[in-house]
Amino acid sequence: DVKVTQSSRYLVKRTGEKVFLECVQDMDHENMFWYRQDPGLGLRLIYFSYDVKMKEKGDIPEGYSVSREKKERFSLILESASTNQTSMYLCASSPGPIMGEWTQYFGPGTRLTVL
Amino acid sequence: QQQVKQSPQSLIVQKGGISIINCAYENTAFDYFPWYQQFPGKGPALLIAIRPDVSEKKEGRFTISFNKSAKQFSLHIMDSQPGDSATYFCAASISGGSNYKLTFGKGTLLTVNP
Repeated sequence: DVKVTQSSRYLVKRTGEKVFLECVQDMDHENMFWYRQDPGLGLRLIYFSYDVKMKEKGDIPEGYSVSREKKERFSLILESASTNQTSMYLCASSPGPIMGEWTQYFGPGTRLTVL
Repeated sequence: QQQVKQSPQSLIVQKGGISIINCAYENTAFDYFPWYQQFPGKGPALLIAIRPDVSEKKEGRFTISFNKSAKQFSLHIMDSQPGDSATYFCAASISGGSNYKLTFGKGTLLTVNP
């Protein structure tokens, strides 16, 4: 079974703090993704990575950065947390196209509250 | 610009009924259409997917219907059960080239009453 783990299920931070969200996958997947999920807005892609040290901006990258130093680990960084970054953050990984299908495997999510 | 529009936002169905969730897309280059299911406290998980060379795909009680000319696809859940209560997301992507991204709809919260 593919396993994607996220470092925390719940996190409470203060405005202005630097926040690190960690994601690890154990299936040697090439691609990893960070999404945020908000009620009524669905899943919005923040950043993704298709190889170690490679990254691309998603649809809403402002206020976030990422790091991928090892293939299995993809970190999301909030340089200076703000209240509008309170959300559920989901990490996903994908092996790339298998039979033309880009199946993504999701972690359980981190619910971040910024006070 | 939202490229995948999903409706309804929420749906209440009685046990044994049929649940229908619809999605419409704009980008004609999309050629892979998965549905993800998310239970409370969990991440989304792939439920079923279709490619546009077929008009329908069935897996157990779950069926995807695909209408290429209308640029629409839908998920049908037959004999809906309380255990099907979850949030469902449709998505679309381009399977060729270097596109790694899935574009998701906004989700449908399905409640199946016993």
